[in-house]
Amino acid sequence: DAGVTQSPTHLIKTRGQQVTLRCSPKSGHDTVSWYQQALGQGPQFIFQYYEEEERQRGNFPDRFSGHQFPNYSSELNVNALLLGDSALYLCASSLARTAYGYTFGSGTRLTVV
Amino acid sequence: GDSVTQMEGPVTLSEEAFLTINCTYTATGYPSLFWYVQYPGEGLQLLLKATKADDKGSNKGFEATYRKETTSFHLEKGSVQVSDSAVYFCALPRFQTGANNLFFGTGTRLTVIP
Repeated sequence: DAGVTQSPTHLIKTRGQQVTLRCSPKSGHDTVSWYQQALGQGPQFIFQYYEEEERQRGNFPDRFSGHQFPNYSSELNVNALLLGDSALYLCASSLARTAYGYTFGSGTRLTVV
Repeated sequence: GDSVTQMEGPVTLSEEAFLTINCTYTATGYPSLFWYVQYPGEGLQLLLKATKADDKGSNKGFEATYRKETTSFHLEKGSVQVSDSAVYFCALPRFQTGANNLFFGTGTRLTVIP
């Protein structure tokens, strides 16, 4: 049974560029949440998608946006990249918007130069 | 808002040593509490949880007791192994618009040497 799949695993972008990260949730899950984990820090909640809509949002600027598709997969988009956006981006899937049954992917390591 | 505070790391122990990683929480009410583990190059995995005060969560030899008197949820293991080397995160749920997400501590890196 496939767990959460994230792509790509690593990415290098230049300041000012835009990036799209992708996540396929665990089979049977309908909710996708995204977290940013800066080096040496704990993950911070970015937003959650359920029924193709953003349902919750953490303290992140509008440069961070997302999408959820009918098959529950999701994308995270970041515009106008800053050096401070360099981090590990984690996707967590769950059922019915709860955080109690999270399954995490291995993440996408984004480096902004 | 609700949050957790985790002890600073890193922690280096010899194999078979006793482990304690401290976690304290600030919350209104008594939320569930979690410990997650992140092995090198991997995402986070739920290690254990406790859903109410005085509960003890346990898994893979690790234990943590939800203590409301001291607002703590310290992680312990009696005899660590090299394979326990990882980063450990304490977490609690934050509720927002009818759903929840997790607030994580800063993490404690554990290295176990043979």
